[in-house]
Amino acid sequence: GQNIDQPTEMTATEGAIVQINCTYQTSGFNGLFWYQQHAGEAPTFLSYNVLDGLEEKGRFSSFLSRSKGYSYLPLKELQMKDSASYLCAPATYNTDKLIFGTGTRLQVFP
Amino acid sequence: DAGITQSPRHKVTETGTPVTLRCHQTENHRYMYWYRQDPGHGLRLIHYSYGVKDTDKGEVSDGYSVSRSKTEDFLLTLESATSSQTSVYFCAISGGTTNQPQHFGDGTRLSIL
Repeated sequence: GQNIDQPTEMTATEGAIVQINCTYQTSGFNGLFWYQQHAGEAPTFLSYNVLDGLEEKGRFSSFLSRSKGYSYLPLKELQMKDSASYLCAPATYNTDKLIFGTGTRLQVFP
Repeated sequence: DAGITQSPRHKVTETGTPVTLRCHQTENHRYMYWYRQDPGHGLRLIHYSYGVKDTDKGEVSDGYSVSRSKTEDFLLTLESATSSQTSVYFCAISGGTTNQPQHFGDGTRLSIL
């Protein structure tokens, strides 16, 4: 089975840096996806990590530690439009299914 | 945007009626998925398909059936809708290898009274 843990809510100020964490326990781990979902909209793909380390992708990089079962999104130079939910989803070998965490709702204030 | 169209986008119906939601893709992707999203539960997989006429259950499949007679269409049917099936339903598609992301349709908001 899988267990995914993310903080439910976070708040931050425009221009700041915030880190959204995800811990997971997954059999046959084979990478981790991050999605962004604005209220009332569909999830959109942000990043994928399969190797340890930081995957740099503009303002939406993502970090993975396979040995610790841990990933995070470091969001830089926050903008109001970054107010959204961020969903963590580990992938496993021999399956085409993703299990999504319940997501972290980020609110950015001026 | 990935070429995914869900229909209808909104529907209100009564308990006990049959409901069919449609997902149509123009990407020729092999994999298609149906999720529901409810407050406090996140996205939960209902059923998915890995090819024409090839489908499998997800974690919350009770009360739902699916069909895929063409690569581009994946139908989700609630044979006899219940109020507990009030939710937002998302379709997703994927090229299928493990490192390919799923791309989501805009969702269907279904209310069962």
